Amino acid sequence: NAGVMQNPRHLVRRRGQEARLRCSPMKGHSHVYWYRQLPEEGLKFMVYLQKENIIDESGMPKERFSAEFPKEGPSILRIQQVVRGDSAAYFCASSPSRNSPPHGYTFGSGTRLTVV
Amino acid sequence: GQQVMQIPQYQHVQEGEDFTTYCNSSTTLSNIQWYKQRPGGHPVFLIQLVKSGEVKKQKRLTFQFGEAKKNSSLHITATQTTDVGTYFCASHTGTASKLTFGTGTRLQVTL
Repeated sequence: NAGVMQNPRHLVRRRGQEARLRCSPMKGHSHVYWYRQLPEEGLKFMVYLQKENIIDESGMPKERFSAEFPKEGPSILRIQQVVRGDSAAYFCASSPSRNSPPHGYTFGSGTRLTVV
Repeated sequence: GQQVMQIPQYQHVQEGEDFTTYCNSSTTLSNIQWYKQRPGGHPVFLIQLVKSGEVKKQKRLTFQFGEAKKNSSLHITATQTTDVGTYFCASHTGTASKLTFGTGTRLQVTL
């Protein structure tokens, strides 16, 4: 009964490199949400995806950031040409349907990205 | 856009004391959810409130949703060291059902 799986747990990238973060939703969940948490801050919505569709990307920076959720495989959050300001914890959550069920969102353990 | 503010930002209590965090919105909320995040951990869902004036309890935790559905509170009775963490309220916004999180209240409990 695996929950939301994120990998890697920790990722170190040099400035200018690419970061790829993966999220496998809970079994039976077809909706994925990505959130970013800067140090000592709250969670900020980035993007909401359904299989093969981006539903809402209003929280995604216009440049360097992209997300996908292919028919097969995990959801990927890609950050190109990383900068120090991208250092944060990136959390993924999944739900079975558009509207949150009574149990709320299940979050993965997150990926802590450090840009050096 | 919708803003959800939480107060206090930080609270330090001694074990056994009570703790309350408040969540305030400038607009009416369709629902309110509460999450707990341990240091270095990920947010864990605690509860969801939907109805005006709703009160729910989970052992030492009491959750309230205001009559106007613009505020909510989480009260912990007789805190324990296991209560340490940051407590976030969150609410769905817009038609895409994305969760907007409050600014969080970090709770520190010492013996």
